[in-house]
Amino acid sequence: QSALTQPASVSGSPGQSITISCTGASSDIGSYNLVSWYQQHPGKAPKLMISEVSKRPSGVSNRFSGSKSGYTASLTISGLQAEDEGDYYCCSYAGRNTYWVFGGGTKLTVL
Amino acid sequence: QITLKESGPTLVKPTQTLTLTCTFSGFSLSTSGVGVGWIRQPPGKALEWLALIYWDDDKRYSPSLKSRLTITKDTSKNQVVLTMTNMDPVDTATYYCAHRGDGYEIANWGQGTLVTVSS
Repeated sequence: QSALTQPASVSGSPGQSITISCTGASSDIGSYNLVSWYQQHPGKAPKLMISEVSKRPSGVSNRFSGSKSGYTASLTISGLQAEDEGDYYCCSYAGRNTYWVFGGGTKLTVL
Repeated sequence: QITLKESGPTLVKPTQTLTLTCTFSGFSLSTSGVGVGWIRQPPGKALEWLALIYWDDDKRYSPSLKSRLTITKDTSKNQVVLTMTNMDPVDTATYYCAHRGDGYEIANWGQGTLVTVSS
């Protein structure tokens, strides 16, 4: 069982917006603004999409945005495109010993 | 450009020790603040952090696997090595090497290497 809780699946039509939630605890998301999000296509390594809750790395579309409230972080994808389909994982720093904790992943389907 | 690549056996027997090597380029593990870690993903399942080593040789291990893991670095060779003892079929997974970013994100990933544990 993963430390962070994500919905197993979400779906949306091209052009729509979707939001994926990621719920943690006081020891991880609640204590640090160090939440990151990763996109993974089948058979590929994950790719960083959002760091430090809401920062977009160079090269990542501005259709991707992140936020956090309390123990829950969220990833929003606007203007859905077919290429956005894949698995999305959240991750939070959780202190010196636990370090990185992950969510169970969310499968995004573009209808 | 930062790249990382994992190497090691694709098949190990139960109870054996797994040794994986991460060879990287585009950064130095002697630079203050730099960290390289290992993350695994069983087939069809979620990501799991295993271990991380810092530029100053400080090491971090997953609490649930700490007794089985050792992470070391060879700065001159730009390599990080992970050993995992007493392998079990449940350890079958793709093992990724990762470069830690300044914001504690996993900024760069290796391509991953699938390790199967079977007799």
